[in-house]
Amino acid sequence: AQSVAQPEDQVNVAEGNPLTVKCTYSVSGNPYLFWYVQYPNRGLQFLLKYITGDNLVKGSYGFEAEFNKSQTSFHLKKPSALVSDSALYFCAVRDLRAGGTSYGKLTFGQGTILTVHP
Amino acid sequence: DADVTQTPRNRITKTGKRIMLECSQTKGHDRMYWYRQDPGLGLQLIYYSFDVKDINKGEISDGYSVSRQAQAKFSLSLESAIPNQTALYFCATSDLRTGNEQFFGPGTRLTVL
Repeated sequence: AQSVAQPEDQVNVAEGNPLTVKCTYSVSGNPYLFWYVQYPNRGLQFLLKYITGDNLVKGSYGFEAEFNKSQTSFHLKKPSALVSDSALYFCAVRDLRAGGTSYGKLTFGQGTILTVHP
Repeated sequence: DADVTQTPRNRITKTGKRIMLECSQTKGHDRMYWYRQDPGLGLQLIYYSFDVKDINKGEISDGYSVSRQAQAKFSLSLESAIPNQTALYFCATSDLRTGNEQFFGPGTRLTVL
């Protein structure tokens, strides 16, 4: 089985400060990892993904995420937060193992509300 | 994603009514998904389909059914709606060629009274 945990329901940060939204995962094999963002009354938008290669992944809107296999984490980061970054953020994982009941499916965390204060 | 559309966008219905939510995509993807979103619970997978002849139950399929009418269309039905099915419903698509990134529709807000 695959699972994702986002330990913080809410993250608050001042504009211009760095931000981190935490995510840990559990899979049987190697993971595909994703971050999505949801603005009010909108669907989820893809931010970035990790498949293989460099542990630091860069994505849209200046976001990046660091894959840490030993800690089974994939934290989302941004060096300087903007008020417009305020939204709901979801981490998701897919088990790369072929076959099995989890093949091809994404499992999402419960989401973290990011609020950036002016 | 504008290439994934959902109808209706909002629906209010009464307990016991049959409801159909529709999803269409122009991305040419073979995989389609239905999720529901509840506050604090993230997204839960209801059903998924890897092609027209392949439909699978997700984590919370009880009370729901689906139909994959064509590669581009995937409908979700609530045979007899109940109030705890009040939620935001999302359709998504993906394809092996896109590295399994999923593309989401705008969502349908369903209220069951």
